Amino acid sequence: DADVTQTPRNRITKTGKRIMLECSQTKGHDRMYWYRQDPGLGLRLIYYSFDVKDINKGEISDGYSVSRQAQAKFSLSLESAIPNQTALYFCATSDALAEVTDTQYFGPGTRLTVL
Amino acid sequence: QQQVKQSPQSLIVQKGGISIINCAYENTAFDYFPWYQQFPGKGPALLIAIRPDVSEKKEGRFTISFNKSAKQFSLHIMDSQPGDSATYFCAATEANFGNEKLTFGTGTRLTIIP
Repeated sequence: DADVTQTPRNRITKTGKRIMLECSQTKGHDRMYWYRQDPGLGLRLIYYSFDVKDINKGEISDGYSVSRQAQAKFSLSLESAIPNQTALYFCATSDALAEVTDTQYFGPGTRLTVL
Repeated sequence: QQQVKQSPQSLIVQKGGISIINCAYENTAFDYFPWYQQFPGKGPALLIAIRPDVSEKKEGRFTISFNKSAKQFSLHIMDSQPGDSATYFCAATEANFGNEKLTFGTGTRLTIIP
């Protein structure tokens, strides 16, 4: 969905490096999410934020941190990357005021490789 | 622990055939069950969803069948087309938590062959 953008789309880094993945949305949604996708494991929730002042840990938050700089921006950081963080990362948004609040809109993903 | 179990992991169906993907859940508090479709190089997108007050929901060639007593739900794609080739994820959530508790299955890679 072009309304949710992620940068970079691809990144190769080395073990121990700090990495930031960025997500921006023009949908005007309050809720934003970060997931990682691994083959055979599906999508797992890392962090989610219901507004700028509300940030919550998801299923697999260890080794990650996030920052909600504005309603439209939600960044994911890996403070010291390790190889098992190699994965496809997705940002998603949803509208708390929508009639159906459960629909999530995903960005195109960032493929991260940690060597 | 996997709260939503999805099968099969991969599926090959001939054009015009019926594709069936199954999911089972454990948490009886789940009350919203969406399916997401993901094409290569793209993020997942909502395809169809069902709430447990109905046993079936149909949108075009896509149908969700829901069995509350068995805690199972499935996606049926009728008259499958090559353009349906994608990865499909089932998911589940509890309404009182809203969508931050959207739990996904492990995904099914569907390939439709001519």
